[in-house]
Amino acid sequence: AQSVSQHNHHVILSEAASLELGCNYSYGGTVNLFWYVQYPGQHLQLLLKYFSGDPLVKGIKGFEAEFIKSKFSFNLRKPSVQWSDTAEYFCAVTPTYAGNNRKLIWGLGTSLAVNP
Amino acid sequence: NAGVTQTPKFRVLKTGQSMTLLCAQDMNHEYMYWYRQDPGMGLRLIHYSVGEGTTAKGEVPDGYNVSRLKKQNFLLGLESAAPSQTSVYFCASSYLDRITFFGQGTRLTVV
Repeated sequence: AQSVSQHNHHVILSEAASLELGCNYSYGGTVNLFWYVQYPGQHLQLLLKYFSGDPLVKGIKGFEAEFIKSKFSFNLRKPSVQWSDTAEYFCAVTPTYAGNNRKLIWGLGTSLAVNP
Repeated sequence: NAGVTQTPKFRVLKTGQSMTLLCAQDMNHEYMYWYRQDPGMGLRLIHYSVGEGTTAKGEVPDGYNVSRLKKQNFLLGLESAAPSQTSVYFCASSYLDRITFFGQGTRLTVV
């Protein structure tokens, strides 16, 4: 079955530290990849996406992610985190075959706490 | 532009009661979804719809029903609420670009 694995369930960092959150998926075909963020008490918002082209994508608030097809990975990075980055981060994948009906396959999320 | 709007935002039900969660989107999206979010379990798809008049089961459909009578609305019903349905429910919608927009969530407690 298709699945998405996020390696870190809880991450605690100090401000200005660098961040890398791992995401791997299990599907051999073409995929669209997403990172969503959920700030405390809020709904999920799109952070960045990859559909095709340059495998290094940039999103909002200084986040970026790199798609490595050979590793089935789409890791999220930020060089210097801020307290306001405290949130839960979700990786999601959509296989692009026609019968998928745009359903997203979600990772379980990574809770990031940034200490001021 | 309101995006995806869910009502109510909070609700407490007694076991066995019924209720309907309302979701409306103003982006003319074809696809709509209902998810539940529970601690440590991420987002789980309950039901989804690929267009007006169509619905399909997701990962955890038991105990829920849905209807999509109008393109902009997607209703989630609980016929007989159980404590296991205590959760935060999110409605979402997407179009051909696959980018999914979420509502603010409904926090449901079943006692």
